[in-house]
Amino acid sequence: LAKTTQPISMDSYEGQEVNITCSHNNIATNDYITWYQQFPSQGPRFIIQGYKTKVTNEVASLFIPADRKSSTLSLPRVSLSDTAVYYCLVGAFNQAGTALIFGKGTTLSVSS
Amino acid sequence: EAGVTQFPSHSVIEKGQTVTLRCDPISGHDNLYWYRRVMGKEIKFLLHFVKESKQDESGMPNNRFLAERTGGTYSTLKVQPAELEDSGVYFCASSQDPGRVSTDTQYFGPGTRLTVL
Repeated sequence: LAKTTQPISMDSYEGQEVNITCSHNNIATNDYITWYQQFPSQGPRFIIQGYKTKVTNEVASLFIPADRKSSTLSLPRVSLSDTAVYYCLVGAFNQAGTALIFGKGTTLSVSS
Repeated sequence: EAGVTQFPSHSVIEKGQTVTLRCDPISGHDNLYWYRRVMGKEIKFLLHFVKESKQDESGMPNNRFLAERTGGTYSTLKVQPAELEDSGVYFCASSQDPGRVSTDTQYFGPGTRLTVL
């Protein structure tokens, strides 16, 4: 199980690009890097997943360097509605490989 | 396509009472998971169904918790009798891939907030 380290919280203003970096020095060869987003009073929501280099979708981009020991979730031009907790999951499954293991996440607060 | 739904959204009960939470997964998803977050802690796994069978219930805290998924559709999680420490938010999630979940997306419901007084 790769331990991840990410900021506890971040603040931003509307329209800015937000980059949340996650460290995972013990990532295994077959581990994927997955980010979930959780709004208040809702369950976590998958936003992006990658293995190496760069992945982009309509919500975010994920940058993974060659050594894969870290990754950066990039949210372009955030709005107030992007205020949420962001979880970085790496190899984050229990021994049976059946469940996700969540850490504390990064609380992103976007203000106007 | 409807997402994962949970009922009720919030339940307040007294210690010693029984509560049953319900989860309706996304149609066609064989995998159903229960998680919970107690106050100030991380989201923790409780158990995993594949269709109607319990694949992994290693996260169930004790025998006061009983989960069922009759017919492999919706699932219920009963807490009997409820204790103060059971208060928290109970999430249900479902996914499609019947194999290892390393790359399978789990879709979460909004959660049921349980308050035990």
